[in-house]
Amino acid sequence: NAGVMQNPRHLVRRRGQEARLRCSPMKGHSHVYWYRQLPEEGLKFMVYLQKENIIDESGMPKERFSAEFPKEGPSILRIQQVVRGDSAAYFCASSPLGTSRGTGEQYFGPGTRLTVT
Amino acid sequence: RKEVEQDPGPFNVPEGATVAFNCTYSNSASQSFFWYRQDCRKEPKLLMSVYSSGNEDGRFTAQLNRASQYISLLIRDSKLSDSATYLCVVNIVQGKLIFGAGTRLAVHP
Repeated sequence: NAGVMQNPRHLVRRRGQEARLRCSPMKGHSHVYWYRQLPEEGLKFMVYLQKENIIDESGMPKERFSAEFPKEGPSILRIQQVVRGDSAAYFCASSPLGTSRGTGEQYFGPGTRLTVT
Repeated sequence: RKEVEQDPGPFNVPEGATVAFNCTYSNSASQSFFWYRQDCRKEPKLLMSVYSSGNEDGRFTAQLNRASQYISLLIRDSKLSDSATYLCVVNIVQGKLIFGAGTRLAVHP
């Protein structure tokens, strides 16, 4: 059973370009979460999605960032007009269908390391 | 005040030592609690969930005190392979994990 898959693993973008990060959840998981880890800091929640729905985007910056999880295909985290401060590791996690409130176990992908030059 | 606070670390211990990590959380509505492990530049991996009754998994024991809003992790008979950053994690609302900054452990021969 393949784990959570993310690609690309490393992404280099120049300031002002767009970055697209992809996440395929574990088989049978329909809940996807995105986290960001800045250098030497802990992980920060960004957004929680189910198929075709954004459940909680309280951690998403108000501008330039968007996320989707379409009916078919991977979840996408999109960063427009990247700036140097966007350089970080972006981790995706998934959990099984029907995870009840408070259970909380999530399984993480290997992350995408974004470098903005 | 941070939502989840951990020992600053790093902890440098010899093989075979027992080491304890502490964590406090600020939101009394927190629902579930975990310890994750993160190796350098890798993804976090779930180490164990933490229950009020306390739970043990081999050399690892986790405790939760809801009244004090305190979580602990005890590692006995430390191995070189235990060297990593240990993350205290709290779930307040469905889907949103709150991570502590982590405590680094280095086990030396």
